[in-house]
Amino acid sequence: RKEVEQDPGPFNVPEGATVAFNCTYSNSASQSFFWYRQDCRKEPKLLMSVYSSGNEDGRFTAQLNRASQYISLLIRDSKLSDSATYLCVVNRGGSQGNLIFGKGTKLSVKP
Amino acid sequence: ETGVTQSPTHLIKTRGQQVTLRCSSQSGHNTVSWYQQALGQGPQFIFQYYREEENGRGNFPPRFSGLQFPNYSSELNVNALELDDSALYLCASSFGQGRNEQFFGPGTRLTVL
Repeated sequence: RKEVEQDPGPFNVPEGATVAFNCTYSNSASQSFFWYRQDCRKEPKLLMSVYSSGNEDGRFTAQLNRASQYISLLIRDSKLSDSATYLCVVNRGGSQGNLIFGKGTKLSVKP
Repeated sequence: ETGVTQSPTHLIKTRGQQVTLRCSSQSGHNTVSWYQQALGQGPQFIFQYYREEENGRGNFPPRFSGLQFPNYSSELNVNALELDDSALYLCASSFGQGRNEQFFGPGTRLTVL
């Protein structure tokens, strides 16, 4: 079993739609959580950190459920420019802050 | 932009050769992590350098090695290249060890023939 698992996608949605991505992680000692966005053949870019209280940044809302080891990302009012691969990322914490990435979920927003 | 730079952007090598990839971290950051991303996969952690010392290593053989310099820039060296080493190599810059956010450079795309 992979340490971070995501919906494989792809998700094909019309502009204006609301789309939700889910992610589970297996290491209960994981300490911090992120969503990164990656455009085709580009580097991952930090979209947002995820906190237990939930956090929102404009059209994007991230939630963390530590008990279920579950992370989610909600995108409201999708734009064409949201088309990308969304990577769920977990940091095991401790002194070695290496990131563990999910395989990513591809989103295509159509006109 | 993150301020993290990598060179070269693309590289073509043949099996058995050696390669050195370079990364300059964002100003104020003292930690560099290296990742390998194969096509269709998420990035895989290779190792991390903090204040010029290796600070953790993923599941990669010893022919993957690195350095960090006093200015916190870093190199990734791969010896005895194999076809499966063809991938996007990403470096990420952060401040301190642990769970801080990491910011990625544009990557070096390595092709091994």
